[in-house]
Amino acid sequence: GAGVSQTPSNKVTEKGKYVELRCDPISGHTALYWYRQSLGQGPEFLIYFQGTGAADDSGLPNDRFFAVRPEGSVSTLKIQRTERGDSAVYLCASSLWGAGNTEAFFGQGTRLTVV
Amino acid sequence: GDSVTQMEGPVTLSEEAFLTINCTYTATGYPSLFWYVQYPGEGLQLLLKATKADDKGSNKGFEATYRKETTSFHLEKGSVQVSDSAVYFCALSLQGAQKLVFGQGTRLTINP
Repeated sequence: GAGVSQTPSNKVTEKGKYVELRCDPISGHTALYWYRQSLGQGPEFLIYFQGTGAADDSGLPNDRFFAVRPEGSVSTLKIQRTERGDSAVYLCASSLWGAGNTEAFFGQGTRLTVV
Repeated sequence: GDSVTQMEGPVTLSEEAFLTINCTYTATGYPSLFWYVQYPGEGLQLLLKATKADDKGSNKGFEATYRKETTSFHLEKGSVQVSDSAVYFCALSLQGAQKLVFGQGTRLTINP
């Protein structure tokens, strides 16, 4: 596709439920990132993939959060036992290599609301 | 830890006014510095960047100079337009690390 695509654009879920957020990066981009943006704040890093492997997952807040990228393209962010504090916009970005060297392109995000 | 601090918003200006949005950083190494912009209804876009001290990034009439001595990367534009209304984020990336560390963002509104 022309840009980074994230689905769904909005997700409302009940506390305690499991959710999956999907990211389709720009074709050919080997690097993929997940960020979380709370209201009025800047994006906070969650995890970085280079190809199929998670090269840096230091930003995942706890073991309820997990992300995969099995074929080195599409990625899924999975949140178990959701809590109201997980409510935020989840952003995905991709770049040719790392964001320190090449431009990172962001999707429009998935707005997650936990009620 | 590594961090970025931006001037608090919101900022409201009239068209053709001069713009400065302050950004300072704390980093253990020698970061690359970025300004990203988020227009209403769109995703974050890279506006400009600088990778070493004294470099000046520029794009769409915006400029920012990497000042190592003051650990700053202030965004400036000489004459703003209504279409510049957006949220602006300053960010850094450390050498060898691929993640971006963002400031909290500054909402800019330009009135005609």
